Amino acid sequence: DGGITQSPKYLFRKEGQNVTLSCEQNLNHDAMYWYRQDPGQGLRLIYYSQIVNDFQKGDIAEGYSVSREKKESFPLTVTSAQKNPTAFYLCASSPSWTGAGEQYFGPGTRLTVT
Amino acid sequence: GENVEQHPSTLSVQEGDSAVIKCTYSDSASNYFPWYKQELGKGPQLIIDIRSNVGEKKDQRIAVTLNKTAKHFSLHITETQPEDSAVYFCAASGGFKTIFGAGTRLFVKA
Repeated sequence: DGGITQSPKYLFRKEGQNVTLSCEQNLNHDAMYWYRQDPGQGLRLIYYSQIVNDFQKGDIAEGYSVSREKKESFPLTVTSAQKNPTAFYLCASSPSWTGAGEQYFGPGTRLTVT
Repeated sequence: GENVEQHPSTLSVQEGDSAVIKCTYSDSASNYFPWYKQELGKGPQLIIDIRSNVGEKKDQRIAVTLNKTAKHFSLHITETQPEDSAVYFCAASGGFKTIFGAGTRLFVKA
């Protein structure tokens, strides 16, 4: 089955710890994205990657970092510098970053930091 | 900056009735307008989309209309069913950048 997977579904961490969220896709898509979703709000873009070994900051990149060493993988690290990390995190991919089109979303990871 | 406003934030309808969700966008460069459905604990899934060269598109019980002059677009669901209950997001996209609305939580009462 082709798709985009995120793991784990639920993640709990203590304040001050870095944590890495996994995102893998086997759709052969060039572009990948990380969004943050808070209750009652739309999806806010954290980082995006247009192609392997390249990534750009989105609207709320502070306190986050990413890497794109392989086409199929785009992990997100939530660092201790992120002031309010508890949220639902969504990873998405699209065939190309040029030209608007559908984004395919993973099932999400709910991160709780206490 | 660019934004997308979505109304209402919550919508409750009786099974079989119609539901309408409206969005407005600010970026004139937007040319692609998708609608996503998100069920509890899952990622959003595309249900219908429309491009700027089209005024209306229909897929069974779902339709989307676009008024580029007024920068408005709307989602219409007819003959609603309990399984239509979910959060619906509109979005406006120009190039790679996609701006999402805040979402509408739709309840369909049996």
